[in-house]
Order: sequence, then C-alpha cells, then structure tokens
Amino acid sequence: GQQLNQSPQSMFIQEGEDVSMNCTSSSIFNTWLWYKQEPGEGPVLLIALYKAGELTSNGRLTAQFGITRKDSFLNISASIPSDVGIYFCAGRFNGNQFYFGTGTSLTVIP
Amino acid sequence: NAGVTQTPKFQVLKTGQSMTLQCAQDMNHEYMSWYRQDPGMGLRLIHYSVGAGITDQGEVPNGYNVSRSTTEDFPLRLLSAAPSQTSVYFCASSYGREISQPQHFGDGTRLSIL
Repeated sequence: GQQLNQSPQSMFIQEGEDVSMNCTSSSIFNTWLWYKQEPGEGPVLLIALYKAGELTSNGRLTAQFGITRKDSFLNISASIPSDVGIYFCAGRFNGNQFYFGTGTSLTVIP
Repeated sequence: NAGVTQTPKFQVLKTGQSMTLQCAQDMNHEYMSWYRQDPGMGLRLIHYSVGAGITDQGEVPNGYNVSRSTTEDFPLRLLSAAPSQTSVYFCASSYGREISQPQHFGDGTRLSIL
C-alpha cells in the first residue's frame, strides 16, 4: 500500500501557541483529508483538499495541498486545550481507497 | 440523525471463535468501508462496498468477510478469530459510489482475541 509519513509523531505545546504538522507521500494524490481523533471516538473530518496548491481554513485550522501533490500541511493557530487529540492525514489518487498516515498526537498544556 | 453506528463497542473473543461486527448508517450513503487501527500504523482498509450487493477487498482483507444486502448495513465477519486480529475496528460511510467524498466514521469496536 501507499506510505504516508506524518511528522512530528507527537507534540507538547503551551496553550496559545501555533501548531504545524505535515504529511508526505511516496506517490501523488488527488485528494488530501485531515481528521482529528479523540480518545474512544472515531476520526472526525476537519478539512478536505482537492487541488494542488489549495489552501483551506476551518476556524483556527488551515490546511494546504502541496504543489508537488505528494504532501499536505495542517496548521492550528492559538491552540486551546480542546485541540488535544490525534491528527491524521489521508490521501487518495484514484480508485476507491484512502490511505491514512500514522498520526500526530497533540498535547496542549494549559 | 445517528450517523454511523457500530456494535458492540467492546468484545473479547477466544482464538478460533467467530463473530460479526455490526455497522449501520442512516445517511443513505452508497459507499461503506471497514478499517482496522493498530498502534503506530494508522487506519488500514479491510473491505469496502460501493452499494448493495457489491463488495471489494482493501489493503488487509485476509481473515475477514463482508456482505452488503442493504444500503444501510455493512457487517464484518471474523470466521476464526486470531490474536493478530486484536485491534480497533472502524466503519465509515460516504455519499456516492466512489470515495471522492470524505467519510464519516463510527466510534469503533475494540476487539481483543485471547
């Protein structure tokens, strides 16, 4: 299957700080998704990206579809305690399957 | 709306036992899928369906069977459970027959095989 590498694996930040994480693929994708997962729950969609270079925001979250189509980035501004969770990227080229990254675990220290 | 509902939430099995994980969605979604989530490995696709009567294999299908007799339901069957199948299982659905639309996930079934 496709390999998606997310970095960093984990982050410990102070409340109010900005967060940046990224996802890289060995293959090009046509769609990138970013999900957040909280303990005991399923992933929840944050942002969907459909075009290379696309920059999309959802509140304090901003994600970008990399120009090379092999990467995507997620930024969270002014982090708050409820941002805690695991953030997953997912990518798709064609066909009926999304491939998921291994996740970035975010801890926000009040 | 309930969205995607998975049952049971927790299950412990002995090696060799069989069981069915249930998944139901009330959004009239054509596309449904099953993933397993293991530590450090993200989510991996087991099987998927693009509509009633149609199923296909994903990345890790061995040891699992699926069927899709209705649009709403997509059960996952373990015929003879093995310890390697200890995992958290997620069902997801999306609008349309292709996975061009983002998926909605259930809350998962935590399965332990002893």
